[in-house]
Amino acid sequence: GDSVTQMEGPVTLSEEAFLTINCTYTATGYPSLFWYVQYPGEGLQLLLKATKADDKGSNKGFEATYRKETTSFHLEKGSVQVSDSAVYFCALSDGTNAGGTSYGKLTFGQGTILTVHP
Amino acid sequence: ETGVTQTPRHLVMGMTNKKSLKCEQHLGHNAMYWYKQSAKKPLELMFVYNFKEQTENNSVPSRFSPECPNSSHLFLHLHTLQPEDSALYLCASSQEPGLAGEGTDTQYFGPGTRLTVL
Repeated sequence: GDSVTQMEGPVTLSEEAFLTINCTYTATGYPSLFWYVQYPGEGLQLLLKATKADDKGSNKGFEATYRKETTSFHLEKGSVQVSDSAVYFCALSDGTNAGGTSYGKLTFGQGTILTVHP
Repeated sequence: ETGVTQTPRHLVMGMTNKKSLKCEQHLGHNAMYWYKQSAKKPLELMFVYNFKEQTENNSVPSRFSPECPNSSHLFLHLHTLQPEDSALYLCASSQEPGLAGEGTDTQYFGPGTRLTVL
């Protein structure tokens, strides 16, 4: 079955440091890939997504590139802020309907806790 | 109200109680989901409703009973729970492809209900 593996946390960085959170996946088809973020006391919010190989998703200074050859979708940010402290989840969506639009249930990684200090 | 809302935000119940969690989405979506988020475990998909029909039940114990009266509302009825059922229960919605093929695989999450079973 499908699976997502994230790097173990927690990750602790100083403000303005470079961030990488590794994510690799296993899937039988051609999934869409996502990063979700969960701030303290809140639900998950979509951070970025990529729907096919070599696509780059980006939002709020975060980026991730869909690498089919290495089955990876690593999250990066050049300069983190204290406000980026949260839990980050990598996920994939399986299934493609007849019209070619990818949809389906999400499979999540275990989440990586990021803490950024001033 | 916009987005996905969940009530109550916090719930404490005994093992013999019966309670219900409510989720409402204001996004015009046609699919809704229940997830369980436990400490140190990946998010677990519990149920999927697509066009009000249950399309997924991930081997969830019968003490959890979902109900989807329409495409905007989703309930999770709880009875005779166990302490290990204590977790954050998240609701999500998405627009699944219809006959015209439109849709997206992005799920939008509510803030969750923090459940404690004593």
